[in-house]
Amino acid sequence: QQPVQSPQAVILREGEDAVINCSSSKALYSVHWYRQKHGEAPVFLMILLKGGEQKGHDKISASFNEKKQQSSLYLTASQLSYSGTYFCGTGYNFNKFYFGSGTKLNVKP
Amino acid sequence: DTAVSQTPKYLVTQMGNDKSIKCEQNLGHDTMYWYKQDSKKFLKIMFSYNNKELIINETVPNRFSPKSPDKAHLNLHINSLELGDSAVYFCASSQAGTANYGYTFGSGTRLTVV
Repeated sequence: QQPVQSPQAVILREGEDAVINCSSSKALYSVHWYRQKHGEAPVFLMILLKGGEQKGHDKISASFNEKKQQSSLYLTASQLSYSGTYFCGTGYNFNKFYFGSGTKLNVKP
Repeated sequence: DTAVSQTPKYLVTQMGNDKSIKCEQNLGHDTMYWYKQDSKKFLKIMFSYNNKELIINETVPNRFSPKSPDKAHLNLHINSLELGDSAVYFCASSQAGTANYGYTFGSGTRLTVV
């Protein structure tokens, strides 16, 4: 039930865009996105509940396609501060939730 | 004020010892969790408590025992530590349920068993 994230790693230059995908083999109730910097705790970015919505703040946004059982995280005009490992987490009901294996993003000057 | 605080931050101990990690949250959240993050960064749920009641107990060796004296505290006790227990352990909390609300994580406890 663990979601599959792709790609596993991305290297960008400042100002470039990136997309991280998260897909599930089972029907999704919710999708979470987190960012974890090296040596720190994961930090919550956003949650999308079933309904095919899109959310975002600043230059980081996400979409949730309930039918395709997948979500994508969009990072536009990336900044150095965006570097870290991004995790999606998928909820299947009130108490079933699993994290993906992470996507390591490295933004270079 | 730290929202989710866990202690200690680092723990180095010998195989066979017993150790505890403490966690406290001041967010008023109903649900608290223990996650284990291995060297490949995979985050695996261990336990979840909702208002002091155990709601998730994943396949974890029974050497690991959680205790929640009240909804703001969730401690983890580990008996007879093994080399494979070395990892970063994160405490987290959320408003309610597991899937509906975002998690706030503590800063983690890096456990090294030698």
